[in-house]
Amino acid sequence: EAGVAQSPRYKIIEKRQSVAFWCNPISGHATLYWYQQILGQGPKLLIQFQNNGVVDDSQLPKDRFSAERLKGVDSTLKIQPAKLEDSAVYLCASSTPGAQETQYFGPGTRLLVL
Amino acid sequence: AQSVSQHNHHVILSEAASLELGCNYSYGGTVNLFWYVQYPGQHLQLLLKYFSGDPLVKGIKGFEAEFIKSKFSFNLRKPSVQWSDTAEYFCAVSEGTGGFKTIFGAGTRLFVKA
Repeated sequence: EAGVAQSPRYKIIEKRQSVAFWCNPISGHATLYWYQQILGQGPKLLIQFQNNGVVDDSQLPKDRFSAERLKGVDSTLKIQPAKLEDSAVYLCASSTPGAQETQYFGPGTRLLVL
Repeated sequence: AQSVSQHNHHVILSEAASLELGCNYSYGGTVNLFWYVQYPGQHLQLLLKYFSGDPLVKGIKGFEAEFIKSKFSFNLRKPSVQWSDTAEYFCAVSEGTGGFKTIFGAGTRLFVKA
């Protein structure tokens, strides 16, 4: 079974530039999560989708971050414009629906904003 | 708001030593509890989880965790660690019903000396 795919794996940009990350979840997983993991901290949920609808985006900085999952499968997370404090690993995870379900994580995209 | 506390940021043990990593959460309702692990160079993956039944749960690689509701704790244990257990361990909590958001602790880096 193929795992969660993410690209790119690494990205270096300058502040005020824009960047986009892509995630393809495990086939059949209706729930997709985007997390931000800053060095030394645990993953923080940015946005959670159920199919193509948003379940929770309470911690997404909506003035600069956006995410979509148009066909209920793969998803894109965008930052525009980036700030220095956005330097982090962006993790995508997927699961079947339910709070008890195991989340399967991708390798992450490591973003450095200079 | 929910929060998850992991007591130790770094733990260093010798092989065959016993391990206990602390995790406390702040939520009074029904919870689902998880321990995830990230081995060097690998994705985050599930070690074990609890959502109902026997409060002592067993996971992969000889790990176990005990849910103590009165102490809001879900500590991870292993009787005898191996060098291959060197990794970062994350405790996570989600609400039992209704809410889906998962909150992660800051993680504990375990280094096992051969």
